[in-house]
Amino acid sequence: DAGVIQSPRHEVTEMGQEVTLRCKPISGHNSLFWYRQTMMRGLELLIYFNNNVPIDDSGMPEDRFSAKMPNASFSTLKIQPSEPRDSAVYFCASSLVGNTIYFGEGSWLTVV
Amino acid sequence: GENVEQHPSTLSVQEGDSAVIKCTYSDSASNYFPWYKQELGKRPQLIIDIRSNVGEKKDQRIAVTLNKTAKHFSLHITETQPEDSAVYFCATGGGNKLVFGAGTILRVKS
Repeated sequence: DAGVIQSPRHEVTEMGQEVTLRCKPISGHNSLFWYRQTMMRGLELLIYFNNNVPIDDSGMPEDRFSAKMPNASFSTLKIQPSEPRDSAVYFCASSLVGNTIYFGEGSWLTVV
Repeated sequence: GENVEQHPSTLSVQEGDSAVIKCTYSDSASNYFPWYKQELGKRPQLIIDIRSNVGEKKDQRIAVTLNKTAKHFSLHITETQPEDSAVYFCATGGGNKLVFGAGTILRVKS
């Protein structure tokens, strides 16, 4: 199994630009999670989906952030417009509901 | 919402010694308690987990203990090796999502 696949692995963008992060969960998994990791705030859950349906988006910082899961094998996290404080590592993770959560390699975002 | 506190934030041990990391949680409905290891620049990876119907679980040099009454659980690493140096995160879950502790930086000195 290829594991959770994220792209891009690294992104440097200018403030105000739109950023789109992509994720392909492990085949057969029905839950997908977006986490953000920073030194100051640790690992924060932004949003998670069960069977492609958003269940809990209470961690999404503000309206500039949005996430979609149009099908079982693809999800996006979009930031528009981006700000320097959005700089972080964004992890996508997947699981079978109630079981082990597996993380992708992460997308390292720098907003200058 | 669920709150998970993890201690210590940093831990330095001599190679061969044991390391213990503790977490406390607030939600009595939590029933799943995994531990993740994250090496520098890498993703968090599951190293061991325990469910609420078990008090202790061991896998070679690592073990996890759970006290549901007191709402705390601990990670024990014996005979530490330099490759154990990493950040360790506890987490709790009840249902599906996980809430993570702040992490412990473990440094094993050789």
